[in-house]
Amino acid sequence: EAGVTQFPSHSVIEKGQTVTLRCDPISGHDNLYWYRRVMGKEIKFLLHFVKESKQDESGMPNNRFLAERTGGTYSTLKVQPAELEDSGVYFCASSQVLFAHEQFFGPGTRLTVL
Amino acid sequence: DQQVKQNSPSLSVQEGRISILNCDYTNSMFDYFLWYKKYPAEGPTFLISISSIKDKNEDGRFTVFLNKSAKHLSLHIVPSQPGDSAVYFCAASAQAGTALIFGKGTTLSVSS
Repeated sequence: EAGVTQFPSHSVIEKGQTVTLRCDPISGHDNLYWYRRVMGKEIKFLLHFVKESKQDESGMPNNRFLAERTGGTYSTLKVQPAELEDSGVYFCASSQVLFAHEQFFGPGTRLTVL
Repeated sequence: DQQVKQNSPSLSVQEGRISILNCDYTNSMFDYFLWYKKYPAEGPTFLISISSIKDKNEDGRFTVFLNKSAKHLSLHIVPSQPGDSAVYFCAASAQAGTALIFGKGTTLSVSS
């Protein structure tokens, strides 16, 4: 069974540009989560999809971040326009059923905003 | 204010000895606790978990202890192996399926 995959693995952009991150969850997993880790700090929750619906987006920093999950499969996270403080590693995680605690993480996308 | 705290940024242990990683939490609503292991350039990998109705859970060399009254949990690795060298994150959730709240992590180094 393939794990959670994320693309790209690294992205370096300039302040003001747009970046789109993609996450493919484990096949059949209805729950999809986005997290972010800024260097040296804790991994912080951004938002949670159940299928194509946003269940919880309380962790989204501001309206420069837009997450979508059309069709309930893969998800994208767009940052527009990017700011310096958006730099960090963005993780995607998925879980199979709503009432499951364990989440399975992808390798992350390292975003650097210059 | 951090709800999950890992106060030791790093821990060094010799191969074969016990590693004890600690975690404290402040939110009484947390009912499930997890430990994740992370190697460089990889995502966190689920290691072991414990429900708040238990005080111990064991899986091979890994044991997690929960002290609800002290709002404290610990991960014991025995015997420690060089391949255990990684960053260990403590995480908690208040309800199944919701966001995990992570600590900052503890870097474990096991020397041979």
